[in-house]
Amino acid sequence: ETGVTQTPRHLVMGMTNKKSLKCEQHLGHNAMYWYKQSAKKPLELMFVYNFKEQTENNSVPSRFSPECPNSSHLFLHLHTLQPEDSALYLCASSQEGVKSPLHFGNGTRLTVT
Amino acid sequence: KQEVTQIPAALSVPEGENLVLNCSFTDSAIYNLQWFRQDPGKGLTSLLLIQSSQREQTSGRLNASLDKSSGRSTLYIAASQPGDSATYLCAGGGADGLTFGKGTHLIIQP
Repeated sequence: ETGVTQTPRHLVMGMTNKKSLKCEQHLGHNAMYWYKQSAKKPLELMFVYNFKEQTENNSVPSRFSPECPNSSHLFLHLHTLQPEDSALYLCASSQEGVKSPLHFGNGTRLTVT
Repeated sequence: KQEVTQIPAALSVPEGENLVLNCSFTDSAIYNLQWFRQDPGKGLTSLLLIQSSQREQTSGRLNASLDKSSGRSTLYIAASQPGDSATYLCAGGGADGLTFGKGTHLIIQP
């Protein structure tokens, strides 16, 4: 079992649907992240949580809503998405922000139809 | 704002060769430089982290260097193997988080 687990692995949703992505880390880390990976673009940081507090919101549209109920779990709630939101969504965790190595999950491949 | 560039975008070499992947960054005020590997359809795996005060880090056949003054890092892979085929990404860690390059897609030919 990897240290960071993401579910589901694949998700297809219509533009009017509401869905959630889940991330769980078993590493005892204090920081958790959501990244978006689109074809031919660098990874884009979306949200950062340190000790369950959101410390970064990288100008992400409000149709993406994060939730961090505890230091081990992170959710990304999705609603009224656009086709250009189709991408690989990666969750990561680290012990001490970016001063320590990030550990990534295998991602959720999202397709918006 | 930090910008990270990786050259080349793609590289194909025969098995057994030593190779170098390049990474450049614009803001030298970084905490560290991290190298990752990504296999198709998977997440990223951390390979090496070089602190800003360090010049290099080694792990097995991998050696990463950091030159803050020139804004460059290299990842050296010795005696390449087909299992090394993947996309390699570098990222600069700083006050505004971790900034990634687009990656180098590496193919090792058997």
